This record gives sequence, structure tokens and C-alpha cells, in this order.
Amino acid sequence: KQEVTQIPAALSVPEGENLVLNCSFTDSAIYNLQWFRQDPGKGLTSLLLIQSSQREQTSGRLNASLDKSSGRSTLYIAASQPGDSATYLCAVSSWGADGLTFGKGTHLIIQP
Amino acid sequence: EAQVTQNPRYLITVTGKKLTVTCSQNMNHEYMSWYRQDPGLGLRQIYYSMNVEVTDKGDVPEGYKVSRKEKRNFPLILESPSPNQTSLYFCASSLRASGRNEQFFGPGTRLTVL
Repeated sequence: KQEVTQIPAALSVPEGENLVLNCSFTDSAIYNLQWFRQDPGKGLTSLLLIQSSQREQTSGRLNASLDKSSGRSTLYIAASQPGDSATYLCAVSSWGADGLTFGKGTHLIIQP
Repeated sequence: EAQVTQNPRYLITVTGKKLTVTCSQNMNHEYMSWYRQDPGLGLRQIYYSMNVEVTDKGDVPEGYKVSRKEKRNFPLILESPSPNQTSLYFCASSLRASGRNEQFFGPGTRLTVL
């Protein structure tokens, strides 16, 4: 059964720093991997979707990479801002499974 | 605007009182699903539907029912809610059942069962 792990569970950095969030998964037979942002008490906002055949995706200051063979993905946030403070969730869509398997998230705080 | 909507957004109820949480999408998506989010457990899938009249259990279906009579709607029914169903619930949809498609999530429904 697919398992998704996110490290670190929480992270606090000063504004302006570049940072990396990590996601690992146990089964490399995936269709895609999706990064989400969740603000307190709010829904999930899709940030980036990487198909299994892709190595990375970029959107603005965000860059997500995927190494399917090693079961790893990273979300790189450049020049962090206080508005980036949120919980970031990684989720994979696996072969033979319906729905997404989520990690437990990284709670990010950007200090002004 | 393309979106997934859920109602109500907040609900406090008592044990045993039947309730329904509605979910609707305006993107003509075939695939819809329900998740619950609990501290320390993350998001877990409750039920999903690949198309009209086709539903199946996810990882944590006990105590829930769903129906898919129309393509756009996928209500979640709790026939006899219990306190362990207190949670944050999300509805999601995607174009096809294929795992290749991006999933879109609703804003969430916070349910408290006393």
C-alpha cells in the first residue's frame, strides 16, 4: 500500500529565504504527484501537478521536481514571503488505486 | 468560475441525527470523491464515484453513504452520525477516473458531532 511521508513536519524561516520541502513515497508505480497548499481552516489549493513522465514543473516562485525511481519529490520555494505561510501537502495518484494518497503535510511559517 | 462547492461549510449536530453534506462541481467532471481530514492522520478517502450511478468505497467508508444520480452532484450522507465522525470533510473532482487527471477540491465542511 502506498505511503507518503513529508519532511519536515514544520518549518519556520525568515522572509526572503529559499526553501525546500520534501516528499517521499514508497511505491514508484504512480500516475502523478500533486502539491497542494492549505490555509488554516480552508480548502486545498492545487499548486503543481507533475505527471510520472515529467521531471519538474514550475509556477512562479515554485518549482517541483520528481524522481520517480527513488520515490522522491521536492517543492522549492524561492524568495519566501509571509503570504507563503500555510501547510503544504504532497499527494500521489498510484496505479491500481482510486484517489490520492496524501502525506501529513509540512506546516510552513515565514517570519516577516 | 470553475469550482467545487460544498454545503454547509460548518455544521454542529448531535449523535444519531441524520445529515447530508452536498457537493457540486460545474466542470462536467466524471470522477468525484470524498475525503476526511483528521489531525495526525491526514486526508483519507471515504467514497468515490467514477461516473453517474457508479460509486465505490474508499479507505474509510464505515458510517457513510453516497449517491451519484447526476453528474454534477455527489452528496455525502451520515445516517446516524457519531462523535468519531467529527472531522473536516473535502469533496474533490477530476475530469476522468484515470489517475492522470488533476483533482480539484472544495472548500471543506467542518462537522462536529456532539
